[in-house]
Amino acid sequence: GENVEQHPSTLSVQEGDSAVIKCTYSDSASNYFPWYKQELGKGPQLIIDIRSNVGEKKDQRIAVTLNKTAKHFSLHITETQPEDSAVYFCAAPAGGTSYGKLTFGQGTILTVHP
Amino acid sequence: DGGITQSPKYLFRKEGQNVTLSCEQNLNHDAMYWYRQDPGQGLRLIYYSQIVNDFQKGDIAEGYSVSREKKESFPLTVTSAQKNPTAFYLCASSISDRGPLDEQFFGPGTRLTVL
Repeated sequence: GENVEQHPSTLSVQEGDSAVIKCTYSDSASNYFPWYKQELGKGPQLIIDIRSNVGEKKDQRIAVTLNKTAKHFSLHITETQPEDSAVYFCAAPAGGTSYGKLTFGQGTILTVHP
Repeated sequence: DGGITQSPKYLFRKEGQNVTLSCEQNLNHDAMYWYRQDPGQGLRLIYYSQIVNDFQKGDIAEGYSVSREKKESFPLTVTSAQKNPTAFYLCASSISDRGPLDEQFFGPGTRLTVL
């Protein structure tokens, strides 16, 4: 099955700085990599995802990069704001393309200081 | 409003008691999932269901049971056989079972504390 490692476990930045969270995965057949944001007391919500046929995807201040050779992908948040403070999870398909099953990373607690 | 509801938000039970967590969705999604969240361990899959009257074990199914009698409902029972049931439980759904490419929508979660 898939093994997903996420780093760092906590990240503290000043408002306006950039934040980068990295994940590695083990199954070279994996082809879909979502990122979820979980605010306090709520369920996770998808913020961006990337398919294996592209190396980068952007959505306003958020971007995800994928390096299939090295089997890692990263979340980049630019111009961070206090409302970006949350727990972020990366994920990859469990066992390559197993239907509906995702393996999640351990999570990163991001704190943006005003 | 379309979405996923979980109830209750907080649940307290005595050790040795079974407890059922509710999950309802009105998104007309085929697939539904139960995850357990513990500090520092991310989300771990307990059970998932791709279609009504069918469900599969996830990575940590021992001590849990589910049913999927209706498309919109996927209740989770935490049995007395679960050795460490205190956790935050999340229910999710996705539009189909065509693969992991479908976005999973999560409910607000139920925090279960076993005393």
